[in-house]
Amino acid sequence: DQQVKQNSPSLSVQEGRISILNCDYTNSMFDYFLWYKKYPAEGPTFLISISSIKDKNEDGRFTVFLNKSAKHLSLHIVPSQPGDSAVYFCAASGADSNYQLIWGAGTKLIIKP
Amino acid sequence: DAGITQSPRYKITETGRQVTLMCHQTWSHSYMFWYRQDLGHGLRLIYYSAAADITDKGEVPDGYVVSRSKTENFPLTLESATRSQTSVYFCASSESVGQPQHFGDGTRLSIL
Repeated sequence: DQQVKQNSPSLSVQEGRISILNCDYTNSMFDYFLWYKKYPAEGPTFLISISSIKDKNEDGRFTVFLNKSAKHLSLHIVPSQPGDSAVYFCAASGADSNYQLIWGAGTKLIIKP
Repeated sequence: DAGITQSPRYKITETGRQVTLMCHQTWSHSYMFWYRQDLGHGLRLIYYSAAADITDKGEVPDGYVVSRSKTENFPLTLESATRSQTSVYFCASSESVGQPQHFGDGTRLSIL
């Protein structure tokens, strides 16, 4: 049973608009959440994280929102740029997973010019 | 250059053969990890290591062996490769548990 789910395999967004990537989790013991970005033939690159004591974390064009009651997090990218086209993974950790990362299956983001 | 490197980048082998994937990091990070990535799945943890000579199983350890005699190296061995182990393998490291992990560029392994 997948504990971290990214239900959209792909998402297409116009350049300059907002991209919203979603992630749901089932384990209420998760207390740290991360987003990674992955280009083809490269390893994932850390993008942004959020602790469960916060509900929002911002870094430039990237903002992560956490809704603990809904067990849902989202990544907002504003404005979207062509270089943002990549696969985005969310990951979570907590005491139950011995603080190892549990990963979603990824969402492929395509930014259209 | 500082970073984490994996070798080889690509490997084709036959069922039953032994194959070793190498991982080397220059940050002196305590933690190192091996993941596999398959279509429809996120990254799945195979093994991890908290320090030299300390290793532990992840989610999918069967068929794999690891060792960590030096902090900077964390090789992954498939002792008798099977077709189900065809995958992309990623090595990662982090300063401590809970810190973001830094990844190598992966090894694409095909087992015929």
